[in-house]
Amino acid sequence: KAGVTQTPRYLIKTRGQQVTLSCSPISGHRSVSWYQQTPGQGLQFLFEYFSETQRNKGNFPGRFSGRQFSNSRSEMNVSTLELGDSALYLCASSPRDPRTDTQYFGPGTRLTVL
Amino acid sequence: EDQVTQSPEALRLQEGESSSLNCSYTVSGLRGLFWYRQDPGKGPEFLFTLYSAGEEKEKERLKATLTKKESFLHITAPKPEDSATYLCAVQANQGGKLIFGQGTELSVKP
Repeated sequence: KAGVTQTPRYLIKTRGQQVTLSCSPISGHRSVSWYQQTPGQGLQFLFEYFSETQRNKGNFPGRFSGRQFSNSRSEMNVSTLELGDSALYLCASSPRDPRTDTQYFGPGTRLTVL
Repeated sequence: EDQVTQSPEALRLQEGESSSLNCSYTVSGLRGLFWYRQDPGKGPEFLFTLYSAGEEKEKERLKATLTKKESFLHITAPKPEDSATYLCAVQANQGGKLIFGQGTELSVKP
């Protein structure tokens, strides 16, 4: 079974631009969560989607948004990029509900903001 | 506030030298404690889930245990391929988000 896939794997943007990252969960999984990983803060929760509905949101500014499609694929968007947004963005999928199932992570998208 | 603390931050072992990693947590109602392994440039790889105090799980050279306040990841006779960052995370009863510790970077020298 194929794992979680994320595209693109690497991205370089400049301050003020916006970016969209994509995540395809494991086949049959309906729940997707997003995390940001930085050397200073570690892994921090961004959002959680289940059946196209945002179920939970972390403590990030409104510049960070996401959505989930009917095929369970998910995208996250960051507008007006800041230098501090440089990070590894990780997507995790679980079979039904992340509150009851193990989350499996993708390889991440490495975003660099110049 | 829910919190996870891992120690040590870094651990250097010789091949075959057994040791343990610690994960201390405070959470308002624990649903599960998770261990992941992360190699450089890759996403975390799931290892174990523990749900209740006293529970133990094993996989090859790794054994995870859980008490009411902490979890240990025991590594028996490690090999160089066990070198990675080991992440501990907790999930509270009311939410799906994982709260991660900062990780322990393990290096095993031949």
